[in-house]
Amino acid sequence: DAGITQSPRHKVTETGTPVTLRCHQTENHRYMYWYRQDPGHGLRLIHYSYGVKDTDKGEVSDGYSVSRSKTEDFLLTLESATSSQTSVYFCAISDQGRVGEKLFFGSGTQLSVL
Amino acid sequence: GENVEQHPSTLSVQEGDSAVIKCTYSDSASNYFPWYKQELGKGPQLIIDIRSNVGEKKDQRIAVTLNKTAKHFSLHITETQPEDSAVYFCAASRDTGTASKLTFGTGTRLQVTL
Repeated sequence: DAGITQSPRHKVTETGTPVTLRCHQTENHRYMYWYRQDPGHGLRLIHYSYGVKDTDKGEVSDGYSVSRSKTEDFLLTLESATSSQTSVYFCAISDQGRVGEKLFFGSGTQLSVL
Repeated sequence: GENVEQHPSTLSVQEGDSAVIKCTYSDSASNYFPWYKQELGKGPQLIIDIRSNVGEKKDQRIAVTLNKTAKHFSLHITETQPEDSAVYFCAASRDTGTASKLTFGTGTRLQVTL
């Protein structure tokens, strides 16, 4: 299995509080992604990174920010959590970001916003 | 943007039978179509993929077919086994010049019964 660690694995928080999820990789891959998984929606891309300090938005980026200060770490922050952000969040990595390249996923973070 | 529809949402088959999952996509420029398998409590894992210049691809008991004209592709699993029980996601992407940005279908929960 690819060396991807997501933390925490589970989190319960209250509406309006800030939340940060962490993704750590040991594969030295250039590209990192944050997806959210919801019933009836599959997986949807939130943000991605193509290098240290280089990030871009995905299709559902509103309410989320990201940072990547080191190759191995990609942080997802919910500045003020809302109930609609209750979801399972997956981090993924890929080496060169080309079409046809395999994505490796972490085990996910279950986030509940009450 | 790309839209991927996936059917059925749930599928129950008896062990040894075949299972077929179908997806359609909207962007005629999409040229890469992977299938991911997600077991309970884990992240999705690539099981097979196909590019737009190929009509069919097989890997032991699994195969994928692509019809570019109709913009649909299918996953075929033969001689199903209990360990095939999982959620399967189709996805599509095209060359954007940066990042492996996949658009996923909504998933199919496959249950293989004894």
